[in-house]
Formats: sequence, C-alpha cells, structure tokens
Amino acid sequence: GAVVSQHPSRVICKSGTSVKIECRSLDFQATTMFWYRQFPKQSLMLMATSNEGSKATYEQGVEKDKFLINHASLTLSTLTVTSAHPEDSSFYICSASGGPNQPQHFGDGTRLSIL
Amino acid sequence: RKEVEQDPGPFNVPEGATVAFNCTYSNSASQSFFWYRQDCRKEPKLLMSVYSSGNEDGRFTAQLNRASQYISLLIRDSKLSDSATYLCVVKTGGYNKLIFGAGTRLAVHP
Repeated sequence: GAVVSQHPSRVICKSGTSVKIECRSLDFQATTMFWYRQFPKQSLMLMATSNEGSKATYEQGVEKDKFLINHASLTLSTLTVTSAHPEDSSFYICSASGGPNQPQHFGDGTRLSIL
Repeated sequence: RKEVEQDPGPFNVPEGATVAFNCTYSNSASQSFFWYRQDCRKEPKLLMSVYSSGNEDGRFTAQLNRASQYISLLIRDSKLSDSATYLCVVKTGGYNKLIFGAGTRLAVHP
C-alpha cells in the first residue's frame, strides 16, 4: 500500500528554536498534502492544505507566518514551526493524497516538545 | 457546534461483547464518511468507509443515515486488540478535506 514517511518522529528543543518536519510520499505522487495538529485527548485539526507548486491554504486561526509550508515537489512537503514556544508542543501529522478523489495516507506523526 | 461530534467514552467492555459507536455531523453537504482507528500516540489508520447501504468488514459494520446526519460503527465479538480510539471522519469540500471527530475510546478487557 501507499507509504508516507514523516521525519523526525520526535523533537525536543528549546523555546525560540525553529523546527522543520518533512513529509514524503514514497511510492506515489502526492498532488496534495495536508498538515494536522493533535493536542492530547483532542481530535486532529487540519492546519493547512498544500498543493504542489502553489501556496498553502491555511485554516482559520492558523498563522501562516509561524507555520511555514513548502510543497516543492510531488513527493515532499515540509512544515517549519518558526520560533517555537511551549504552547506549540503537539503531535503534528501529515497526510498525502494522489488527487481529489484519492484517499489520504498518513505519516507516522511528529511529537514536538518545546521546553 | 462541532462539525463532527462523538461520545468520547471510554467504553469499557469485556472480550466478546458487542459495542456500538455513534457520530453526528453538521454539514449536510458532506460527501464521504469514514471510521478511522487511532492507537495511543500513533497516526490514524483507515478502518472502513461508510455508505448509506451499510458496509460490513468482518466483525465491523458501519452505517450512514444521511437524513439524520448520523453515522454508526458496530463491533461484534470484541477482541483485546480492538482497544483504541475510533475516529469518525467526514470529507467535505472540493479539496479532499477531512474533518475528524474527537474520537471514542474503547477499552476491551479480559
């Protein structure tokens, strides 16, 4: 089946650091990638949708200048959390889809802890 | 009001029990419906799609009622390995956007 690789799986860093998370589709071309965030005991919340070669579409309340998304190729999207603070600590999950009517395949997630 | 609402549980059931989860959604224009399973500190995994005609996969049966905007999941003969959080998910919009419920936690005990 389709495989999506997310890296790193775990990050612990100091407040003020910028953190980059990679999401790769290993065996298919992902025209669209999605970035979610999940706080403890809460649902996955969509942060943004990115289409290859174009600017990401951010959900309401998500700061685009803080969460930088780049989708430069059909197999790679990156999320950079700039100047991270403790309240940004969360489980970040990406998913990739080969098209509008194609299923989303999820990465393993990145657990981010900001001290 | 949340777009997708679920009873958070937890549902604590013995092995072999039958358990049912319910979910309601608010957007009548929603197009597709799914149940996902999420184990602790892991990514969600697709369990099954949900159709108005019903969908059965082994011990799992899912049902959609569009008029009531209601989705259900029935698990028969529960196994210890069924312990997880079950997420009701609705697809809406033209961009393949998924809306997740907060999940219902199931704990199956011996």
